[in-house]
Amino acid sequence: DAGITQSPRHKVTETGTPVTLRCHQTENHRYMYWYRQDPGHGLRLIHYSYGVKDTDKGEVSDGYSVSRSKTEDFLLTLESATSSQTSVYFCAIRSPPGLAEYFGPGTRLTVL
Amino acid sequence: GENVEQHPSTLSVQEGDSAVIKCTYSDSASNYFPWYKQELGKRPQLIIDIRSNVGEKKDQRIAVTLNKTAKHFSLHITETQPEDSAVYFCAASGGAQKLVFGQGTRLTINP
Repeated sequence: DAGITQSPRHKVTETGTPVTLRCHQTENHRYMYWYRQDPGHGLRLIHYSYGVKDTDKGEVSDGYSVSRSKTEDFLLTLESATSSQTSVYFCAIRSPPGLAEYFGPGTRLTVL
Repeated sequence: GENVEQHPSTLSVQEGDSAVIKCTYSDSASNYFPWYKQELGKRPQLIIDIRSNVGEKKDQRIAVTLNKTAKHFSLHITETQPEDSAVYFCAASGGAQKLVFGQGTRLTINP
């Protein structure tokens, strides 16, 4: 599965606590993405990265920050989690030459 | 920016029949169109893709067609089987650094 792992795979936390999700790739791809998936909303892009320390916002970036200090790791942080951030979070990498995105296994986050 | 519309949102077909899912896109510069299948509780998986210099592509029971003039592309699944039941997503990408996804179609194959 394109050498992508996500951790943790499941997390339950309380409103107001900080949460960091990790995406790790083993194949040295330049582009990495964070999506959230909620019923009725498909896949919505939160943030993406086009290189080390190079990131940009997606369509639902409010309340989220990201960091990429190494090619292989892309971190998503919820500074102060809210119940509206309960979701399944997918990381993806983009693999040329096909330009398809390949997804990690997902993290199910519940904010109580 | 790019906008992708996908229809229908749900589709139910009898086993053995064909299923067609359609997407339209807004940016005429888009040149790459992948389709993903997502089974319940799993990650989206790429099943087929097409570039703008090709009008049709087939892979066994699945095919994708592209009409650049009308800016729409479609996924065709023939001889449907129960394991085809899933949510399918289309996407489009031009020179931009990201894909834009449709809202998804929940396909149910009835035995």
